Amino acid sequence: DAKTTQPPSMDCAEGRAANLPCNHSTISGNEYVYWYRQIHSQGPQYIIHGLKNNETNEMASLIITEDRKSSTLILPHATLRDTAVYYCIVRADNNAGNMLTFGGGTRLMVKP
Amino acid sequence: DAGVTQSPTHLIKTRGQQVTLRCSPKSGHDTVSWYQQALGQEPQFIFQYYEEEERQRGNFPDRFSGHQFPNYSSELNVNALLLGDSALYLCASTPLLDARTTDTQYFGPGTRLTVL
Repeated sequence: DAKTTQPPSMDCAEGRAANLPCNHSTISGNEYVYWYRQIHSQGPQYIIHGLKNNETNEMASLIITEDRKSSTLILPHATLRDTAVYYCIVRADNNAGNMLTFGGGTRLMVKP
Repeated sequence: DAGVTQSPTHLIKTRGQQVTLRCSPKSGHDTVSWYQQALGQEPQFIFQYYEEEERQRGNFPDRFSGHQFPNYSSELNVNALLLGDSALYLCASTPLLDARTTDTQYFGPGTRLTVL
C-alpha cells in the first residue's frame, strides 16, 4: 500500500472548519483513501473513504485532488470532542482482507 | 445494533504468563482483524481471520496466535508474555463478503494489557 504523509499536529478553534491534509503521491489506481480518528485510549473510529470523487457524510467531507496525490479531510464545524489523532490510510479495497497500515497521523487539538 | 465488543477491558499479567483476549464482531460482519498499539504509537497489524482461518499476518512472532469460531467471534492468544507486550489490543471487523461494498474495518474499544 502507498505511504502517506501528514503533519504531526494542528490546532483549530472551536466552531471553525478543521482542514487536515494528507499526501499520498505514490497512490495506485485501485487504492482508496481512508480516514480514521482515535480519541485518547479508545479504538480508532472510521470517518470516511473515497477513490477519486469527493465524498461527504454526517461526520466530514473528503476532498481528493484530481491527480489523487493528496487529499484533505474537512470537519466543517469542529467541536472540543473532535480533539483526536487523525489517520490517513491508503489501501486497496478488493475484498482480499488488506490490513490497515497506520502512519503517525495528525494530532488535532480543538481549542475553545 | 451492537458494535464490535472486546473483553476484558483491562488486565494485568506477569512475564511468562499466557493471555487470551476476546472479540465479538459487529452484527453482519464475518472478518476479524487484530492490532497491537503500544503507548504513544500507532496500531500495528497482527493478523486477520476469515472463515475460521488466518488469512493475513503481520510481523509478529508465533507467540501470537488466534482463533475464529463459527459465529465469527475471535480470540487472540499470547504466550510467554514479555514486558514489551504491554499495549492496547484492538479488534476490527469487516462486513460479510456477500453484503460487502467496501472493506471498511470497524474497531472495538480495545483491551489494555499490562505485563509486569
